[in-house]
Amino acid sequence: EAQVTQNPRYLITVTGKKLTVTCSQNMNHEYMSWYRQDPGLGLRQIYYSMNVEVTDKGDVPEGYKVSRKEKRNFPLILESPSPNQTSLYFCASSLTSGGTVYTQYFGPGTRLTVL
Amino acid sequence: AQSVTQLGSHVSVSEGALVLLRCNYSSSVPPYLFWYVQYPNQGLQLLLKYTSAATLVKGINGFEAEFKKSETSFHLTKPSAHMSDAAEYFCAVTRPTGNKLIFGAGTRLAVHP
Repeated sequence: EAQVTQNPRYLITVTGKKLTVTCSQNMNHEYMSWYRQDPGLGLRQIYYSMNVEVTDKGDVPEGYKVSRKEKRNFPLILESPSPNQTSLYFCASSLTSGGTVYTQYFGPGTRLTVL
Repeated sequence: AQSVTQLGSHVSVSEGALVLLRCNYSSSVPPYLFWYVQYPNQGLQLLLKYTSAATLVKGINGFEAEFKKSETSFHLTKPSAHMSDAAEYFCAVTRPTGNKLIFGAGTRLAVHP
């Protein structure tokens, strides 16, 4: 089944404790992206990747890191989480062609709470 | 710059009534437009998309949306609401060569008997 998977689905942590949220897709998509969802704000892009080893900042990148060493995986790293990073996080992937990103497919989400 | 405004953070309808969720966009170039639905504790599922072909777009679960350039709108409709339609709905815009979706704040749809 074609899908985007995220782990963990739920995570409670404390301020400053490094964590990684994994994202994997089995559709051979070049493009992957991370969003955070906050009430009243919709989804905002954190980072994206157009292909392996190619990443760039989205609208709200502060406090986050990403890497794209393999096509299928795009982990989101919080080196020193803070309470304002408590949010619902979504990973998405898409085919691309000539710089055009097609329909994005979303993972199930990771609910992160930072105490 | 692109932006999306969804009018009404909460909409409530009776089962069997018309569903109308409003979305207005701002874009300096011809946009691609999307509606996604999020059921409780689930990810986002694509309902329908407009990519410069037919202006009336039909999606899954009986939903459709019409792209109106003159009104910069892309409202989502369904003739008869079902209890299972209760969810949060997001309108999103991107450029044809864009690499991110710009989302609206979302509209939570409640359907009551």
